[in-house]
Amino acid sequence: DSGVTQTPKHLITATGQRVTLRCSPRSGDLSVYWYQQSLDQGLQFLIQYYNGEERAKGNILERFSAQQFPDLHSELNLSSLELGDSALYFCASSSTQVHEKLFFGSGTQLSVL
Amino acid sequence: DQQVKQNSPSLSVQEGRISILNCDYTNSMFDYFLWYKKYPAEGPTFLISISSIKDKNEDGRFTVFLNKSAKHLSLHIVPSQPGDSAVYFCAADHTGTASKLTFGTGTRLQVTL
Repeated sequence: DSGVTQTPKHLITATGQRVTLRCSPRSGDLSVYWYQQSLDQGLQFLIQYYNGEERAKGNILERFSAQQFPDLHSELNLSSLELGDSALYFCASSSTQVHEKLFFGSGTQLSVL
Repeated sequence: DQQVKQNSPSLSVQEGRISILNCDYTNSMFDYFLWYKKYPAEGPTFLISISSIKDKNEDGRFTVFLNKSAKHLSLHIVPSQPGDSAVYFCAADHTGTASKLTFGTGTRLQVTL
């Protein structure tokens, strides 16, 4: 158990809809990362938050947004969903700022039908 | 632009033999490398790392080798055990950038009896 909690584990929705993925980091970790893993793809970095503020942005679509709340949990919002958004979305947390060792949650499997 | 590449999607090795997983990178600014292991329905877990000032790092049955001139690293598992069957991701980091790991696409290792 990594200590990172993601909910829900599975999500099935239709094109055009909006969903919210939730992540609770390990106790004490200030950084939260979101990664997307599509079929046969590596883990694609989406966005990082540190103590409530956006720290780094990767290949995140404009239809996607995220935030980190004062209690350090984070939410990833995906809107106007398309079939291609179907993927495994991982949240990870870390406490260090140099040479990150990330602790991953078990992911949310999103299926857009 | 795939900066971290794992060209072998899968590898099958007999129990007790050596498993060698390879990873190539293109960005010469990367200076820290990590391997993660992922079991089905779980998030990736950190396995071993190496700094670019070293060419080898060992942890029990796991050894990572780094060849900076070839921009190549490898993970050796000796001896391989059935519990090692998983997907292995190579990841790279660049100190000084907004902290985020760049992952390869993964290699699925199957250790057979």
